[in-house]
Amino acid sequence: AQKVTQAQTEISVVEKEDVTLDCVYETRDTTYYLFWYKQPPSGELVFLIRRNSFDEQNEISGRYSWNFQKSTSSFNFTITASQVVDSAVYFCALSDHRDDKIIFGKGTRLHILP
Amino acid sequence: NAGVTQTPKFQVLKTGQSMTLQCAQDMNHEYMSWYRQDPGMGLRLIHYSVGAGITDQGEVPNGYNVSRSTTEDFPLRLLSAAPSQTSVYFCASSDSGYGNTIYFGEGSWLTVV
Repeated sequence: AQKVTQAQTEISVVEKEDVTLDCVYETRDTTYYLFWYKQPPSGELVFLIRRNSFDEQNEISGRYSWNFQKSTSSFNFTITASQVVDSAVYFCALSDHRDDKIIFGKGTRLHILP
Repeated sequence: NAGVTQTPKFQVLKTGQSMTLQCAQDMNHEYMSWYRQDPGMGLRLIHYSVGAGITDQGEVPNGYNVSRSTTEDFPLRLLSAAPSQTSVYFCASSDSGYGNTIYFGEGSWLTVV
C-alpha cells in the first residue's frame, strides 16, 4: 500500500535561514512518481515539482531544491535563504503504478519569521 | 483559463441535509478526484475517476457518492450530511492518474451543523 509520511508537523525558522522539509514514502512498486505541493495562507494548492522513480538526480529551482534518495525512500525539500512568502503548508505526495491514485502526506506547516 | 472550477465555495448545511459539490474542468482531463482537508490530517482521497463512466473509492469514501457522466464534470454528493463531514473539499484533475501532475480547484468550505 502507498503511504507518505511527513513527520514534521510544524516548523518555524527566521527569515534567511535554510530549512528542509522531510518526506518519507512507502510503496511496493518500482515505478512511481513523487510530488510536492504548496498551500499558502490563501488556501489554493500549488504544484511545485514532480519526480519519477527512475530519476534520482537532485533538482534545483531558484531557492528550492529537492533531494530524492531511493535507498532511504525519501524525497526531501530544502528552501535556501527562506523568505516570509515561503510561509505555507507543504505537502508531499506519491503515485505508484498499481493505482491511479495520488496519496498525500499530512503536510508540514512552515512559518518564516521576519 | 478556467482550469478546475468548484461550486459552491462556501456552504452551511444542517445535519441530515443533502447537497452536491460541483466540479468542472475544461482541460479535457481523463482523471478527476475529490479530496478532503482536515486539520492535522492532510489531504485524503474520497473518490476518483479515470474517465467518464468509471469511478472508484479512495481512502475515505463513506458518506459520499460520485458519478462521472461526462469528461468535464465530477460532482460529489453528500446524501445525509454529518458534522464529521465539516471540511474543506478539493476537486482535482489530470491527464491520467498515474504520474501526471494533478491540478486543484480552489476548494469548497463546508460546515455541517
